[in-house]
Amino acid sequence: GEDVEQSLFLSVREGDSSVINCTYTDSSSTYLYWYKQEPGAGLQLLTYIFSNMDMKQDQRLTVLLNKKDKHLSLRIADTQTGDSAIYFCAEIPLSGNQFYFGTGTSLTVIP
Amino acid sequence: DTAVSQTPKYLVTQMGNDKSIKCEQNLGHDTMYWYKQDSKKFLKIMFSYNNKELIINETVPNRFSPKSPDKAHLNLHINSLELGDSAVYFCASSSNLGQPQHFGDGTRLSIL
Repeated sequence: GEDVEQSLFLSVREGDSSVINCTYTDSSSTYLYWYKQEPGAGLQLLTYIFSNMDMKQDQRLTVLLNKKDKHLSLRIADTQTGDSAIYFCAEIPLSGNQFYFGTGTSLTVIP
Repeated sequence: DTAVSQTPKYLVTQMGNDKSIKCEQNLGHDTMYWYKQDSKKFLKIMFSYNNKELIINETVPNRFSPKSPDKAHLNLHINSLELGDSAVYFCASSSNLGQPQHFGDGTRLSIL
């Protein structure tokens, strides 16, 4: 099966940038997503990128995709305490027949 | 104006009981999903329906049975509940297969 891996924990100071990393193994055309889960809540779609793109920027969020290394990252600029949450990357091949979520990275923002 | 709504939000019940979780989406999406999130926050797809047809049925005990009366609803019925069924169950929907998924707030199931 597919492997989507993330580091489990990340701590940053308020105002710094956070970089959350994800590696995947499927080499076919695919969508790659970032979701945010706050405590006691569902998953909120943050952003996504198609595998033929290298980068996508949306306000404080920057997604970088290194297709050769199968490495996806989410950079959060000027991290705030409200950004503390679990961040999941997900890979969904175009066929849509499989869905692979990473293990989630728990981001803690220290005031 | 909740896009994907699940009921109940919390469900506490005894081992051996049968229970249902309901899910409705008002986004006009064709595809709906059920996920299970365990205590370590690992997410695993259970079922996927596209236009009321079962598309994905992962290795899930047959005590779990999804039912889709129409495209806007996907309910999950669980028979003979076991301790290991304790988890958070998320419903999600997308416009079509492979498209961004929108999640409900989850149903926290606790088995006594």
